[in-house]
Amino acid sequence: AQSVTQLDSHVSVSEGTPVLLRCNYSSSYSPSLFWYVQHPNKGLQLLLKYTSAATLVKGINGFEAEFKKSETSFHLTKPSAHMSDAAEYFCVVRTSGTYKYIFGTGTRLKVLA
Amino acid sequence: DVKVTQSSRYLVKRTGEKVFLECVQDMDHENMFWYRQDPGLGLRLIYFSYDVKMKEKGDIPEGYSVSREKKERFSLILESASTNQTSMYLCASSKSAGNNSPLHFGNGTRLTVT
Repeated sequence: AQSVTQLDSHVSVSEGTPVLLRCNYSSSYSPSLFWYVQHPNKGLQLLLKYTSAATLVKGINGFEAEFKKSETSFHLTKPSAHMSDAAEYFCVVRTSGTYKYIFGTGTRLKVLA
Repeated sequence: DVKVTQSSRYLVKRTGEKVFLECVQDMDHENMFWYRQDPGLGLRLIYFSYDVKMKEKGDIPEGYSVSREKKERFSLILESASTNQTSMYLCASSKSAGNNSPLHFGNGTRLTVT
């Protein structure tokens, strides 16, 4: 069965310092992986997706994620946090051959001035 | 850019009312989805549709129904609203082809049932 684990429910960083949001997945087949961001009272916005073309994926707003098959991880990083990055982040895996998307429980990122 | 539009941002309804939540997408996507989002429970799939007039139950379909008469429109219906259906409802769409097709979300409808 497919599953996604976001290892931290809350992360706090200071503005200008690096961001690391951790995601591990379980998948029987080659997965499709996504990161989304949700600002308060808004829908989810796609940050980036893993398409199997490259293990390091660049997304919007300076975010990147690296697919590591040996560690079954897809951690999200950003070199320098900005106040506007404060939001909730979701790691998502799509089950191969089905319509089902599995969501992680989310990580709330707080950025301190 | 894909646009998914949900007809209402905020909705307040009374217990027992029939409630319609509407969602329209403009990118000719085959798949459409309805989720609800609750604190501590994350996103849960209510229903999805992979074609016009086709629908599949998600994880929590009880108390809901859906309608997809046109490709661009997917409606969620609460037959008789109850207080435990107070939630944020999110509509999404995706292309059918390829497993790397992401979901595209609307801005959500925050429904309060009193």
